[in-house]
Amino acid sequence: KAGVTQTPRYLIKTRGQQVTLSCSPISGHRSVSWYQQTPGQGLQFLFEYFSETQRNKGNFPGRFSGRQFSNSRSEMNVSTLELGDSALYLCASSLGGSGYTFGSGTRLTVV
Amino acid sequence: QQQVKQSPQSLIVQKGGISIINCAYENTAFDYFPWYQQFPGKGPALLIAIRPDVSEKKEGRFTISFNKSAKQFSLHIMDSQPGDSATYFCAASVNTGFQKLVFGTGTRLLVSP
Repeated sequence: KAGVTQTPRYLIKTRGQQVTLSCSPISGHRSVSWYQQTPGQGLQFLFEYFSETQRNKGNFPGRFSGRQFSNSRSEMNVSTLELGDSALYLCASSLGGSGYTFGSGTRLTVV
Repeated sequence: QQQVKQSPQSLIVQKGGISIINCAYENTAFDYFPWYQQFPGKGPALLIAIRPDVSEKKEGRFTISFNKSAKQFSLHIMDSQPGDSATYFCAASVNTGFQKLVFGTGTRLLVSP
């Protein structure tokens, strides 16, 4: 059974640019959550999607957005990148919203 | 009130020893308490989880102890092995049909051979 797949694994972007990260959940999983991990702030919840609907959003600026497609795959977008957006972005999936399995993450570096 | 406080920040244990990591929370609405293990370059992996209706849960060498009145829970790793060297995160959530996990700050465990 394939795990949660996140692409790309590494990304380098320039300040002011935008970026899109992709997540393919475990087959059959309909809930996808996104987390940001930094040395300073730790693991912080970004948002959660279920059946293409955002059910909850963390305390992040509107530059952070996401969506989920009908096949449960999800993308998150960060616009107008700032140096402080450098982080490991983690996607997690579950069947119905509990017992999440995390992917290996996308390491975003903003220069 | 949404915080989960985790200690210690780092821990060195000899092979075969017991590793103990502690967490405390304030939000009494939390009703799901998982522990995650993270190796470098990987995402967190669920180790073991507990709900507040039990005081202890054991899975292999890993045990969660839960004290509802003190709002504290801890992870015990028995017979610690070098392969257990990783960062451990406690977390908590209110199970309202989906989980919005609030994570502790992490404990870097090193098990010396």
